[in-house]
Amino acid sequence: ETGVTQSPTHLIKTRGQQVTLRCSSQSGHNTVSWYQQALGQGPQFIFQYYREEENGRGNFPPRFSGLQFPNYSSELNVNALELDDSALYLCASRPPLAGADTQYFGPGTRLTVL
Amino acid sequence: GNSVTQMEGPVTLSEEAFLTINCTYTATGYPSLFWYVQYPGEGLQLLLKATKADDKGSNKGFEATYRKETTSFHLEKGSVQVSDSAVYFCALTLAGGTSYGKLTFGQGTILTVHP
Repeated sequence: ETGVTQSPTHLIKTRGQQVTLRCSSQSGHNTVSWYQQALGQGPQFIFQYYREEENGRGNFPPRFSGLQFPNYSSELNVNALELDDSALYLCASRPPLAGADTQYFGPGTRLTVL
Repeated sequence: GNSVTQMEGPVTLSEEAFLTINCTYTATGYPSLFWYVQYPGEGLQLLLKATKADDKGSNKGFEATYRKETTSFHLEKGSVQVSDSAVYFCALTLAGGTSYGKLTFGQGTILTVHP
Protein backbone atom coordinates (compact mmCIF):
# COMPACT_ATOMS: atom_id res chain seq x y z
CA GLU A 1 0.00 0.00 0.00
CA THR A 2 1.71 3.16 -1.24
CA GLY A 3 -0.96 5.69 -0.33
CA VAL A 4 -1.22 6.77 -3.96
CA THR A 5 -4.54 6.14 -5.66
CA GLN A 6 -5.59 6.51 -9.29
CA SER A 7 -8.95 6.67 -10.98
CA PRO A 8 -10.50 5.22 -12.91
CA THR A 9 -8.99 1.76 -12.92
CA HIS A 10 -9.96 1.09 -16.51
CA LEU A 11 -11.19 3.34 -19.28
CA ILE A 12 -12.23 2.82 -22.88
CA LYS A 13 -12.28 5.72 -25.33
CA THR A 14 -12.46 6.12 -29.08
CA ARG A 15 -9.92 7.78 -31.33
CA GLY A 16 -10.15 11.56 -31.32
CA GLN A 17 -11.75 11.81 -27.89
CA GLN A 18 -10.26 13.49 -24.83
CA VAL A 19 -9.55 11.79 -21.49
CA THR A 20 -8.71 12.89 -17.95
CA LEU A 21 -6.94 10.57 -15.54
CA ARG A 22 -6.66 11.34 -11.85
CA CYS A 23 -4.10 10.69 -9.17
CA SER A 24 -4.29 11.31 -5.44
CA SER A 25 -0.95 11.53 -3.70
CA GLN A 26 0.03 11.18 -0.08
CA SER A 27 -0.41 14.33 1.95
CA GLY A 28 2.71 16.48 1.76
CA HIS A 29 3.97 15.00 -1.50
CA ASN A 30 4.53 18.10 -3.59
CA THR A 31 6.05 16.36 -6.62
CA VAL A 32 4.14 14.09 -8.95
CA SER A 33 5.31 12.34 -12.10
CA TRP A 34 3.30 10.60 -14.79
CA TYR A 35 4.45 7.62 -16.83
CA GLN A 36 3.02 5.76 -19.81
CA GLN A 37 3.54 2.00 -19.88
CA ALA A 38 2.62 0.39 -23.19
CA LEU A 39 1.89 -3.33 -23.18
CA GLY A 40 5.10 -5.32 -22.77
CA GLN A 41 7.22 -2.20 -22.32
CA GLY A 42 8.75 -0.29 -19.45
CA PRO A 43 7.20 2.94 -18.20
CA GLN A 44 8.13 6.09 -20.10
CA PHE A 45 8.30 9.46 -18.39
CA ILE A 46 5.63 11.90 -19.56
CA PHE A 47 6.16 14.87 -17.25
CA GLN A 48 6.66 15.98 -13.69
CA TYR A 49 4.93 18.63 -11.61
CA TYR A 50 6.36 20.41 -8.60
CA ARG A 51 4.27 22.83 -6.59
CA GLU A 52 1.66 22.95 -9.35
CA GLU A 53 4.16 23.82 -12.11
CA GLU A 54 5.50 21.50 -14.81
CA ASN A 55 9.27 21.17 -14.29
CA GLY A 56 10.29 18.36 -16.58
CA ARG A 57 8.88 16.69 -19.67
CA GLY A 58 9.65 13.59 -21.70
CA ASN A 59 9.20 13.06 -25.44
CA PHE A 60 5.45 13.45 -25.49
CA PRO A 61 3.46 15.89 -27.65
CA PRO A 62 1.60 18.89 -26.22
CA ARG A 63 -1.72 17.07 -26.38
CA PHE A 64 -0.52 15.41 -23.17
CA SER A 65 -1.00 17.97 -20.42
CA GLY A 66 -1.33 17.97 -16.68
CA LEU A 67 -2.48 19.78 -13.62
CA GLN A 68 -1.47 19.55 -10.00
CA PHE A 69 -3.68 20.90 -7.22
CA PRO A 70 -2.91 22.19 -3.73
CA ASN A 71 -4.65 19.21 -2.17
CA TYR A 72 -1.94 16.86 -3.60
CA SER A 73 -4.16 15.53 -6.34
CA SER A 74 -3.24 15.76 -10.00
CA GLU A 75 -4.59 15.09 -13.47
CA LEU A 76 -3.26 13.86 -16.77
CA ASN A 77 -5.21 15.08 -19.79
CA VAL A 78 -4.82 13.64 -23.25
CA ASN A 79 -6.51 15.31 -26.22
CA ALA A 80 -7.18 13.88 -29.67
CA LEU A 81 -6.62 10.31 -28.56
CA GLU A 82 -4.74 8.00 -30.89
CA LEU A 83 -4.70 4.20 -30.94
CA ASP A 84 -1.09 4.22 -29.70
CA ASP A 85 -2.18 6.03 -26.54
CA SER A 86 -3.56 2.70 -25.30
CA ALA A 87 -1.43 1.94 -22.24
CA LEU A 88 -1.24 1.77 -18.47
CA TYR A 89 -0.76 5.27 -17.04
CA LEU A 90 1.08 5.47 -13.75
CA CYS A 91 1.50 8.36 -11.41
CA ALA A 92 4.21 8.57 -8.78
CA SER A 93 4.54 11.05 -5.95
CA ARG A 94 7.34 11.92 -3.58
CA PRO A 95 7.80 14.16 -0.57
CA PRO A 96 9.81 17.39 -0.54
CA LEU A 97 13.54 17.02 -1.28
CA ALA A 98 13.21 13.29 -1.91
CA GLY A 99 14.94 11.62 -4.80
CA ALA A 100 13.77 9.03 -7.28
CA ASP A 101 14.21 6.25 -4.75
CA THR A 102 11.47 7.69 -2.59
CA GLN A 103 8.75 7.71 -5.23
CA TYR A 104 5.47 6.01 -4.50
CA PHE A 105 3.64 4.61 -7.49
CA GLY A 106 -0.09 4.24 -7.86
CA PRO A 107 -1.64 1.08 -9.35
CA GLY A 108 -2.30 2.79 -12.67
CA THR A 109 -5.18 3.47 -15.03
CA ARG A 110 -5.54 1.15 -18.02
CA LEU A 111 -6.62 3.21 -21.04
CA THR A 112 -7.86 1.49 -24.17
CA VAL A 113 -8.39 3.57 -27.31
CA LEU A 114 -10.56 1.99 -30.00
CA GLY B 1 20.64 9.94 -24.32
CA ASN B 2 20.05 7.74 -21.34
CA SER B 3 18.78 4.19 -21.78
CA VAL B 4 18.41 0.87 -20.01
CA THR B 5 18.51 -2.52 -21.70
CA GLN B 6 17.26 -5.70 -20.03
CA MET B 7 17.60 -9.27 -21.17
CA GLU B 8 14.89 -10.16 -23.62
CA GLY B 9 12.22 -12.74 -23.19
CA PRO B 10 10.41 -14.09 -20.15
CA VAL B 11 12.27 -16.14 -17.57
CA THR B 12 10.73 -19.36 -16.27
CA LEU B 13 12.30 -21.14 -13.31
CA SER B 14 11.52 -23.86 -10.82
CA GLU B 15 11.27 -22.96 -7.17
CA GLU B 16 14.67 -22.71 -5.42
CA ALA B 17 16.51 -22.11 -8.70
CA PHE B 18 19.10 -19.36 -9.10
CA LEU B 19 17.95 -16.19 -10.82
CA THR B 20 19.89 -13.71 -12.92
CA ILE B 21 18.28 -10.90 -14.90
CA ASN B 22 20.75 -8.86 -16.90
CA CYS B 23 20.62 -5.09 -17.10
CA THR B 24 22.99 -2.69 -18.85
CA TYR B 25 22.71 1.05 -19.12
CA THR B 26 23.89 4.09 -21.04
CA ALA B 27 23.95 7.41 -19.26
CA THR B 28 25.46 10.87 -19.50
CA GLY B 29 26.85 11.40 -16.04
CA TYR B 30 26.70 9.22 -12.96
CA PRO B 31 23.29 7.62 -12.54
CA SER B 32 21.66 5.97 -9.60
CA LEU B 33 20.39 2.52 -10.47
CA PHE B 34 17.25 0.72 -9.37
CA TRP B 35 15.31 -2.48 -9.66
CA TYR B 36 11.54 -2.20 -9.47
CA VAL B 37 9.03 -5.04 -9.27
CA GLN B 38 5.47 -5.03 -10.55
CA TYR B 39 3.08 -7.67 -9.27
CA PRO B 40 -0.13 -8.32 -11.22
CA GLY B 41 -2.64 -5.52 -10.70
CA GLU B 42 -0.29 -3.48 -8.55
CA GLY B 43 1.91 -0.45 -8.99
CA LEU B 44 5.67 -0.44 -9.20
CA GLN B 45 7.55 -1.14 -5.99
CA LEU B 46 11.18 -0.30 -5.40
CA LEU B 47 13.08 -3.54 -4.84
CA LEU B 48 16.62 -2.25 -4.38
CA LYS B 49 18.94 0.56 -5.38
CA ALA B 50 22.59 1.56 -5.71
CA THR B 51 23.80 5.12 -6.00
CA LYS B 52 27.49 4.80 -6.91
CA ALA B 53 29.95 2.42 -8.49
CA ASP B 54 30.61 -0.85 -6.62
CA ASP B 55 27.60 -0.31 -4.36
CA LYS B 56 25.53 -3.44 -3.78
CA GLY B 57 21.81 -3.08 -3.30
CA SER B 58 19.94 -5.87 -1.56
CA ASN B 59 16.44 -6.63 -0.38
CA LYS B 60 14.32 -9.75 0.19
CA GLY B 61 17.18 -12.02 -0.94
CA PHE B 62 17.70 -10.10 -4.18
CA GLU B 63 21.03 -8.43 -4.91
CA ALA B 64 22.53 -6.23 -7.62
CA THR B 65 25.96 -4.61 -7.86
CA TYR B 66 26.61 -1.31 -9.66
CA ARG B 67 29.39 -2.09 -12.15
CA LYS B 68 30.61 1.10 -13.76
CA GLU B 69 33.27 -0.64 -15.86
CA THR B 70 30.68 -2.81 -17.60
CA THR B 71 27.77 -0.36 -17.16
CA SER B 72 25.70 -3.15 -15.67
CA PHE B 73 23.38 -3.77 -12.74
CA HIS B 74 22.37 -7.43 -12.94
CA LEU B 75 19.71 -8.72 -10.56
CA GLU B 76 20.37 -12.01 -8.75
CA LYS B 77 18.66 -14.23 -6.22
CA GLY B 78 20.00 -17.48 -4.93
CA SER B 79 16.72 -19.32 -4.46
CA VAL B 80 13.52 -18.05 -6.02
CA GLN B 81 10.03 -18.67 -4.68
CA VAL B 82 6.68 -18.86 -6.43
CA SER B 83 5.81 -15.54 -4.81
CA ASP B 84 8.66 -13.88 -6.74
CA SER B 85 6.69 -14.25 -9.97
CA ALA B 86 6.30 -10.70 -11.29
CA VAL B 87 7.70 -8.26 -13.83
CA TYR B 88 11.08 -6.78 -12.97
CA PHE B 89 12.28 -3.43 -14.28
CA CYS B 90 15.76 -2.00 -14.21
CA ALA B 91 15.85 1.80 -14.09
CA LEU B 92 18.17 4.74 -13.71
CA THR B 93 17.96 8.37 -12.73
CA LEU B 94 20.36 11.27 -12.94
CA ALA B 95 20.63 13.90 -10.26
CA GLY B 96 20.06 17.55 -10.88
CA GLY B 97 18.10 19.87 -13.13
CA THR B 98 14.85 18.84 -14.71
CA SER B 99 16.01 15.23 -14.74
CA TYR B 100 15.81 15.08 -10.95
CA GLY B 101 13.55 12.22 -9.99
CA LYS B 102 12.87 11.19 -13.59
CA LEU B 103 13.25 7.43 -14.02
CA THR B 104 14.35 5.80 -17.26
CA PHE B 105 13.19 2.18 -17.36
CA GLY B 106 14.18 -0.93 -19.24
CA GLN B 107 11.52 -2.92 -21.05
CA GLY B 108 10.94 -5.30 -18.16
CA THR B 109 11.48 -9.02 -17.64
CA ILE B 110 8.63 -11.35 -16.80
CA LEU B 111 9.62 -13.92 -14.19
CA THR B 112 7.49 -17.00 -13.66
CA VAL B 113 8.43 -19.44 -10.91
CA HIS B 114 6.83 -22.89 -10.86
CA PRO B 115 6.49 -25.05 -7.72
